[in-house]
This record gives sequence, C-alpha cells and structure tokens, in this order.
Amino acid sequence: DGGITQSPKYLFRKEGQNVTLSCEQNLNHDAMYWYRQDPGQGLRLIYYSQIVNDFQKGDIAEGYSVSREKKESFPLTVTSAQKNPTAFYLCASSIRFPPGYANYGYTFGSGTRLTVV
Amino acid sequence: SQQGEEDPQALSIQEGENATMNCSYKTSINNLQWYRQNSGRGLVHLILIRSNEREKHSGRLRVTLDTSKKSSSLLITASRAADTASYFCATEGTSGSRLTFGEGTQLTVNP
Repeated sequence: DGGITQSPKYLFRKEGQNVTLSCEQNLNHDAMYWYRQDPGQGLRLIYYSQIVNDFQKGDIAEGYSVSREKKESFPLTVTSAQKNPTAFYLCASSIRFPPGYANYGYTFGSGTRLTVV
Repeated sequence: SQQGEEDPQALSIQEGENATMNCSYKTSINNLQWYRQNSGRGLVHLILIRSNEREKHSGRLRVTLDTSKKSSSLLITASRAADTASYFCATEGTSGSRLTFGEGTQLTVNP
C-alpha cells in the first residue's frame, strides 16, 4: 500500500540534544512538507521541499534543519537551538502541480510526538 | 502566519443533525482545502475547491467558496458519532508552493 510513514511515534529529547524525525513516502510525490502542531492549534509550516536536493524555509524554521537527498525521504532534525520543541510533528507529501492546477491535497503521516524531558 | 480562521472553534451537535463550519482567509488563493484530524492522528484530505468554483459536493460533504468575501463553509449533513474530529481549512496561495492552515474547528457529534 502506498503511503507516508513517520517514525518514531513518540520521541523524548533531553535538553541540549539534537534529534531527527524520519519521514518516508512511497507515493512518488515530488513535494514534501514538515508542519508543527501545538495543542489545540493549527499547523505551522517548518520546511518544505519541491524537488530533491532543494528545500525552503517555512514560517517557523529557526532551530530546525532538513535534507532531501532522496525523493522518498525528508528527515527533520530538531536542534538544541529550538527552545520549545515539545509538539506534534506532521510530515506530508503531494504531487507537484503548476500554480492553480492542483487537483489533490496533501497526504499526511500519522505524526511524531516530541517531548522534552 | 495563519491564513485561515475557522468559526466556530468548537461545535457540539446531536447525531443526525447538520454541522456547518466556516473559514475566512486574507489573501488571494488558488484553492481552498478541508482536512479532518482525529485526535492524535495525522490529517486526512476531504475536499479541494478551486478559486473559480463556488460549490462542491462529496458524499455528505458540501463546500462553498465566496472569493469576494474570502470565506468558505463546510457542511456535513446527517452527522454521525464517527464524524467527531477537528476540521481544518487550508489555502494555497497564488504562488502555489505551500498550504497555510487555520486553527481548526473541534466537532463533537453526540450519539
């Protein structure tokens, strides 16, 4: 079955530690995205990538880093510079449409809940 | 920045009733999408409406879009307890490279 897989489901980070969240998709989607969700709130965009070896900052990129070495994979590293990393992290992917021609929405993973201990 | 704002923030209805959620946005868009999120899970895409469309249906879902008022509504007819979830609108701006999500409406359908 095609889909998008995030791992781990739960992650605990100590103060000053970097952690990496995994996101893998087998949908052959060009575009991938990382969102952060805080309790009772909407999604805020961290980073996105439209094509392999290229990515752009979203609205809250400070303290995060990404790579896109393979089409299938878009890992997110939460660095020690992110002062309040406790949140639910969602990865998504989509077909890359020309602006105004989208017919489908994003496919989301099931999320990683990160807690600072 | 949050492009979309949903209204109401929370809605509680009885099974069988209709549920209406509204979304307002600020800038020009290519399309507007609605998503559903069950507690602690990822989002599921429900429906996409383009800026040149005014109404769209999918099963028990009906979405309207008024670009002059920069607003959209999602109607769920004959609601079921299984419809209990958070519903988010998301807009694709004219650059087309990303979606911006609102803060969601928490819908509770009581059996």
